Amino acid sequence: DAGVTQSPTHLIKTRGQQVTLRCSPKSGHDTVSWYQQALGQGPQFIFQYYEEEERQRGNFPDRFSGHQFPNYSSELNVNALLLGDSALYLCASSDDGNTEAFFGQGTRLTVV
Amino acid sequence: SQQGEEDPQALSIQEGENATMNCSYKTSINNLQWYRQNSGRGLVHLILIRSNEREKHSGRLRVTLDTSKKSSSLLITASRAADTASYFCAPYSGGGADGLTFGKGTHLIIQP
Repeated sequence: DAGVTQSPTHLIKTRGQQVTLRCSPKSGHDTVSWYQQALGQGPQFIFQYYEEEERQRGNFPDRFSGHQFPNYSSELNVNALLLGDSALYLCASSDDGNTEAFFGQGTRLTVV
Repeated sequence: SQQGEEDPQALSIQEGENATMNCSYKTSINNLQWYRQNSGRGLVHLILIRSNEREKHSGRLRVTLDTSKKSSSLLITASRAADTASYFCAPYSGGGADGLTFGKGTHLIIQP
């Protein structure tokens, strides 16, 4: 079992650009959540996807959007990148109704 | 879900000693989870304790929960260099569909 896999591992983008990050959940998991972790801070919840729909959202602007595919994999899209979007983006998967989350290794996004 | 607050923010001990870190939260919970994060990598689930449990063990880890004081502690016995990491608690109040909320964590350094 490969666990949760994220791609790419590192990414450098220019302010104003758009970025797409990808996540494959652990086998058997149907729920995917995305988190943003700035340096020295804890992960902050962006949103959660279940059955291809956004089920819950944290306090993030509409520039952050996502998608879940029929195979439960997910994408996080960020439009109009700001310098402050530089962070480690973590994907976590779980069984629906099971709060224990399995995290990927993250994508390090740097906006210059 | 609500955010837990870990204390201390940083802890440095000698290898072989025990490490204790605490988590406080504000409202009633269904469960509380502890996660570990090695530098710049994904979070690893350590242990989940339910609101009707007072103590739980997993290997060298011991977690206690005091719902009357709204606090939890994580004890790592016989620490090793590999325990050097940040530790986060995630108190969970939701019904299974909520994302987790993390504080800034406790940064633990084990000195050889």
